[in-house]
Amino acid sequence: QQPVQSPQAVILREGEDAVINCSSSKALYSVHWYRQKHGEAPVFLMILLKGGEQKGHEKISASFNEKKQQSSLYLTASQLSYSGTYFCGTEVIATDSWGKFQFGAGTQVVVTP
Amino acid sequence: GAVVSQHPSRVICKSGTSVKIECRSLDFQATTMFWYRQFPKQSLMLMATSNEGSKATYEQGVEKDKFLINHASLTLSTLTVTSAHPEDSSFYICSARDLQGPTYNEQFFGPGTRLTVL
Repeated sequence: QQPVQSPQAVILREGEDAVINCSSSKALYSVHWYRQKHGEAPVFLMILLKGGEQKGHEKISASFNEKKQQSSLYLTASQLSYSGTYFCGTEVIATDSWGKFQFGAGTQVVVTP
Repeated sequence: GAVVSQHPSRVICKSGTSVKIECRSLDFQATTMFWYRQFPKQSLMLMATSNEGSKATYEQGVEKDKFLINHASLTLSTLTVTSAHPEDSSFYICSARDLQGPTYNEQFFGPGTRLTVL
């Protein structure tokens, strides 16, 4: 049930853009995106609920295609502070798993000067 | 925003001892708490889900007798790693949700506990 994230890693120069994808084989209720710095707990970025909405947080935005059970995270004009590992957490539509997440394997993002 | 604390932040213990990790929701009532384990350079793996006042639900492959979870109140859950061994060394993170409140869609993470078993 673990969602599939791609790519595994991406190296960017400051100011460049990147897209991280997250897909599930199960019908999703929501997708949550987190960024984790080394040795720290994940930090919440945004949540997307079924409905195909797009959200933004500074220059980081995300979309959710519920028909395809896919979400994408867009890093625009990347900054050095965007470096870290990005995880998507998915919540499936199932009575026996209400409220709990499965996390993707993560995408390591390195932004260089 | 909602705050979740964990204690201790780091613990080093000898093989064979038991370690208790506390997870507290500081400014909201957590109807459900989750425990994750994360090995270096890997994702967060859900270990168990605990609801206040009831037994925890463990994920497949997680030993119930090894990882004891107690969710005694709406603000506190504890994870006890019994008879810890070096392979139990990991980063343990809890999260909390209030499935009955206005933030029911969100999951709030604690800062994590790094366990090292010698």
